[in-house]
Amino acid sequence: QVTLRESGPALVKPTQTLTLTCTFSGFSLSTSGMCVSWIRQPPGKALEWLALIDWDDDKYYSTSLKTRLTISKDTSKNQVVLTMTNMDPVDTATYYCARSNYDSSGYSAFDIWGQGTMVTVSS
Amino acid sequence: DIQMTQSPSSLSASVGDRVTITCRASQGIRNDLGWYQQKPGKAPKRLIYAASSLQSGVPSRFSGSGSGTEFTLTISSLQPEDFATYYCLQHNSYSWTFGQGTKVEIK
Repeated sequence: QVTLRESGPALVKPTQTLTLTCTFSGFSLSTSGMCVSWIRQPPGKALEWLALIDWDDDKYYSTSLKTRLTISKDTSKNQVVLTMTNMDPVDTATYYCARSNYDSSGYSAFDIWGQGTMVTVSS
Repeated sequence: DIQMTQSPSSLSASVGDRVTITCRASQGIRNDLGWYQQKPGKAPKRLIYAASSLQSGVPSRFSGSGSGTEFTLTISSLQPEDFATYYCLQHNSYSWTFGQGTKVEIK
């Protein structure tokens, strides 16, 4: 059974750096084709894709946020970490991680999601 | 970046109605599109992948169609458990982008 679970602080102050961890089971990020993304959703608003890391350690970022984001993986721990610098109240959102799979026909995106973790940015 | 224009933003429908939601891409994305259902307080759930393939375990009243720039999610006979918000996602090129969502409400 594939599961993902997000963890991190519920509250951060403006200008601080947010660090979120996605811990997963039921698959390995060293397996060819496997990928993990981060997605966020401000309260009452739409989903927004943030970043993706794949089995080969290739990393992709949202155009609008790429200067603030870093994604990394620890294959031995089955974890993916997202850092976001210079947090602002507009970054208040539920942050999700989700699995994707890549093969010769392209991506199969977000078949499994974590439950999400709410992050509030406030002083 | 590829923009996804989803319509309508909301709709009211009755149990048993046929419901259609559309996503238009600002440029061709082949069939690199998925549809997701989200209920309040829950993570999204994938319904359709590769534009028209039904996710395992999803009822057959859900179907997807389209290729290139125009895509459709159809619910053939709306059920009480289908009242939710639906999103499309393009994953043809980075940055991946979601539509703005369609909230399906009870009439």
